[in-house]
Amino acid sequence: GQQVMQIPQYQHVQEGEDFTTYCNSSTTLSNIQWYKQRPGGHPVFLIQLVKSGEVKKQKRLTFQFGEAKKNSSLHITATQTTDVGTYFCAGSGGSYIPTFGRGTSLIVHP
Amino acid sequence: ETGVTQTPRHLVMGMTNKKSLKCEQHLGHNAMYWYKQSAKKPLELMFVYSLEERVENNSVPSRFSPECPNSSHLFLHLHTLQPEDSALYLCASSRGTGGGDEQFFGPGTRLTVL
Repeated sequence: GQQVMQIPQYQHVQEGEDFTTYCNSSTTLSNIQWYKQRPGGHPVFLIQLVKSGEVKKQKRLTFQFGEAKKNSSLHITATQTTDVGTYFCAGSGGSYIPTFGRGTSLIVHP
Repeated sequence: ETGVTQTPRHLVMGMTNKKSLKCEQHLGHNAMYWYKQSAKKPLELMFVYSLEERVENNSVPSRFSPECPNSSHLFLHLHTLQPEDSALYLCASSRGTGGGDEQFFGPGTRLTVL
């Protein structure tokens, strides 16, 4: 079955430093979604990428979808304490229900 | 608020109890999901319903029994649970199950099995 690997599992940064989480699939994806879960909260949808090589930005967040549509990344520039949480990728292959990665927990030290 | 509500928010139960978790979505979506989230494991998909029909069951033990009476409501009936079933149970909904549909999550039910 489809597997989605996400690294790292945890990342500690000083406020102001950059952060990146990576997502890799064992199969070609039709699209990939990213979610954020704040501590004590529930996952909230951030964005969806569909096209090969696609890059999307949301303020300090940059999302990329690989050319082969098997990997993706989320990069946060100049982290803030409000960025704390767990970031999940979820990949799907066509009509299949998305498979979530393990998530990367971001800890920002002020 | 995401338009998906879950009750109760917290539940403590003994291994011999029977309880039910409830999820309701007010978004007009056709698909609903149950996920289990525990400390050391990723989001585990348990059940998926599309238009009130179960479309996926990821080998979940029979002590978990889902029910979807209509496209707005989803239940998870629990009986004779084990301590390792303690986790956050999340409900989600989406427009469809086409893979490209954003999932809207409820706040979850924090379950503790004693």
